[in-house]
Amino acid sequence: DTAVSQTPKYLVTQMGNDKSIKCEQNLGHDTMYWYKQDSKKFLKIMFSYNNKELIINETVPNRFSPKSPDKAHLNLHINSLELGDSAVYFCASSQVGGLAEQFFGPGTRLTVL
Amino acid sequence: GEDVEQSLFLSVREGDSSVINCTYTDSSSTYLYWYKQEPGAGLQLLTYIFSNMDMKQDQRLTVLLNKKDKHLSLRIADTQTGDSAIYFCAESIQSGGYNKLIFGAGTRLAVHP
Repeated sequence: DTAVSQTPKYLVTQMGNDKSIKCEQNLGHDTMYWYKQDSKKFLKIMFSYNNKELIINETVPNRFSPKSPDKAHLNLHINSLELGDSAVYFCASSQVGGLAEQFFGPGTRLTVL
Repeated sequence: GEDVEQSLFLSVREGDSSVINCTYTDSSSTYLYWYKQEPGAGLQLLTYIFSNMDMKQDQRLTVLLNKKDKHLSLRIADTQTGDSAIYFCAESIQSGGYNKLIFGAGTRLAVHP
């Protein structure tokens, strides 16, 4: 009964390729997030969606395009991959308001060669 | 500005207490959080404190909050080898009517016999 799941767990690809990472949550949460964790473990928010609507969009290259087909899914598509995109990408979800604890997925390790 | 700072490493002997410190910048944060990340896994909420509290105790964990100095600490009593992980401090910041979490760089706790 995984709460927040991501696929794939590992992704190795060549520079210039386009790839997607999928995220699903079965917690009934309204809000979902994408974070990037670099090699030094620094974790930074990229996007957030609430009920399929983009609410947070940090300074992220427009090669990154999130898509939320419904409130339980938030996918991340990356065009023209670059070496600097290598990182672990975490999806998370939460309710709106109150403590708003964020539940994290297991992460997708992306390696760009 | 949005900035959360933590020391990067802490090494303690098994059975001793660990204290991880954090400073944050947004005085309007409603909640402050401690997340734990074990190797190869996503982040998990360990504990949190509401901004109108000075202290919160939860079994072996004690959180202290000094709002004047914008200083947060996490004390783990009787530290065990299973506590070895990266600990992230996070503050919540209002962004367009929603909350987003700003994470520190994480403190890597190593527990040795």
